Amino acid sequence: KAGVTQTPRYLIKTRGQQVTLSCSPISGHRSVSWYQQTPGQGLQFLFEYFSETQRNKGNFPGRFSGRQFSNSRSEMNVSTLELGDSALYLCASSIIPDRYTEAFFGQGTRLTVV
Amino acid sequence: GNSVTQMEGPVTLSEEAFLTINCTYTATGYPSLFWYVQYPGEGLQLLLKATKADDKGSNKGFEATYRKETTSFHLEKGSVQVSDSAVYFCALSDILRGSQGNLIFGKGTKLSVKP
Repeated sequence: KAGVTQTPRYLIKTRGQQVTLSCSPISGHRSVSWYQQTPGQGLQFLFEYFSETQRNKGNFPGRFSGRQFSNSRSEMNVSTLELGDSALYLCASSIIPDRYTEAFFGQGTRLTVV
Repeated sequence: GNSVTQMEGPVTLSEEAFLTINCTYTATGYPSLFWYVQYPGEGLQLLLKATKADDKGSNKGFEATYRKETTSFHLEKGSVQVSDSAVYFCALSDILRGSQGNLIFGKGTKLSVKP
């Protein structure tokens, strides 16, 4: 069974550009969450989607957005990139968005903003 | 608000030593608690979890007990191996939102085990 797939694995962008990251959950999983990991702030929750609806959102500016498609694949977009957006972006999927259900993480997309 | 505090690293141990990584939390209600592990270049893997007070989670020789009275969830292993070298994260679920989708993580503790 394939795991959570995130593409691309590495990305270099220039300040002011925008970027789209993709996450394909495990087959049958309908919940997808996104996290930002940086050395200074650690792991921070971005947003959570279930059945194409955003259920929860973390404390990030509006430049960060996401969506989920009918096949449960998810994308997140960051507009007007800033140097501080350089981070590892992790996607996690679970069958349902329940606190008892294990979330499986992808390997992440390493975004570098120059 | 909810938060997780875990001991600062890095922690360096010799093989077969005893491991404790402290984790305390602040939360309203009764959150679920988790330990995740991150190996170099990898995403996070769930190591163990506990969903209610006094539950003990265990996996691969690691254990942690959900202590509500001390708001703690310390990770322990009796005999570490070189292959246990990784970064360990303590986390809790946001009980108010009732979903594991928005986990709150500690800063992580890097463990290095020397042969």
